[in-house]
Amino acid sequence: AQSVTQPDIHITVSEGASLELRCNYSYGATPYLFWYVQSPGQGLQLLLKYFSGDTLVQGIKGFEAEFKRSQSSFNLRKPSVHWSDAAEYFCAVGISGGYNKLIFGAGTRLAVHP
Amino acid sequence: DSGVTQTPKHLITATGQRVTLRCSPRSGDLSVYWYQQSLDQGLQFLIQYYNGEERAKGNILERFSAQQFPDLHSELNLSSLELGDSALYFCASSVGPTSSYEQYFGPGTRLTVT
Repeated sequence: AQSVTQPDIHITVSEGASLELRCNYSYGATPYLFWYVQSPGQGLQLLLKYFSGDTLVQGIKGFEAEFKRSQSSFNLRKPSVHWSDAAEYFCAVGISGGYNKLIFGAGTRLAVHP
Repeated sequence: DSGVTQTPKHLITATGQRVTLRCSPRSGDLSVYWYQQSLDQGLQFLIQYYNGEERAKGNILERFSAQQFPDLHSELNLSSLELGDSALYFCASSVGPTSSYEQYFGPGTRLTVT
């Protein structure tokens, strides 16, 4: 069955530090992969997506993610975190072929210390 | 602002009651998805409509139903409500019918069942 695992429930970093949020997926075919961010009381905002091609994708707000097929991973990175990045981050895999939906990971809550 | 609107923002109701949540997709989007976000289940896909027709179904209870109208807005009907139905309900929209198309999320409707 398809699944997405985000191993870290909470992560705390200092402002200006680098960030990596982990995501592993289980899916038989080449997946469509997404990262979303949810600020408190808000909906989900799409940060970036991977469909095919270059395995390093750039997104909004200075985020990037790298697709590694051999590791079934799609980790999100940012070189320097800002206090406004504090939010919950969700990795998702797009399932097609009759099930056109996103399967989400449990999310990683990011706290940023000044 | 994703361009997806949801009403109402908050809803408080009693067990056994019936409520209707409304979603207007982004201009030009034909596909509407409904998701439920709860603390114990995370983000779960409920159902998808594309251009007025049901396209995919997830873990949607029989007490729940949805439809998409000719003007492409969608409604999610929840009946015989139970305490466990308390959750944040998101609507998302996309241009096309498959998960290869980016989904844009609305701000959500927070349902509290007392």
